[in-house]
Amino acid sequence: DGGITQSPKYLFRKEGQNVTLSCEQNLNHDAMYWYRQDPGQGLRLIYYSQIVNDFQKGDIAEGYSVSREKKESFPLTVTSAQKNPTAFYLCASSISVRGYNEQFFGPGTRLTVL
Amino acid sequence: AQSVTQLDSQVPVFEEAPVELRCNYSSSVSVYLFWYVQYPNQGLQLLLKYLSGSTLVKGINGFEAEFNKSQTSFHLRKPSVHISDTAEYFCAVRVSGGSYIPTFGRGTSLIVHP
Repeated sequence: DGGITQSPKYLFRKEGQNVTLSCEQNLNHDAMYWYRQDPGQGLRLIYYSQIVNDFQKGDIAEGYSVSREKKESFPLTVTSAQKNPTAFYLCASSISVRGYNEQFFGPGTRLTVL
Repeated sequence: AQSVTQLDSQVPVFEEAPVELRCNYSSSVSVYLFWYVQYPNQGLQLLLKYLSGSTLVKGINGFEAEFNKSQTSFHLRKPSVHISDTAEYFCAVRVSGGSYIPTFGRGTSLIVHP
């Protein structure tokens, strides 16, 4: 079955530590996205990538970094510079960034900073 | 830039009653509209989308939505809800030109009571 996988499902981190969230898709999609979800705030875009080796900042990129070395993979690193990283993180993909293409979402990773 | 307003943060309803979740958008250009559903601790799943053509769009799980260009709305409806419909619902808009990144509303929590 085609889809998007995110790992781990739950992640605990101590303050001051960097942590990397995994996102893999086997849908052969060109575009991939990372969102942060906080209660009552909807989805906020962190980074997106239209093709391999290219990515752009979203609305809340500070304290995060990404890479896109393979079409299937778009890992997100939450750095120690992110002031309030506890949140639910969602990865998504779409065939392309063209507007009529819907996004497909992974199951999410819940990050808690202790 | 486009924006999306989901007018109700929470909608309580009894089982088998009808429900309408409201979504209004603002955009100076043509748009594509989407409704997604999110069950607790899961990713988002596409319910339905409007790209063009008929303004009444039918989706999965008995949901439908009507695109109203003059009122810039895309309200989601279901004639008879089930307990299993309890979830968070997100409206999203993508413009047909320019920025292709979707904008999400803050979500509406549908709570179905027995």
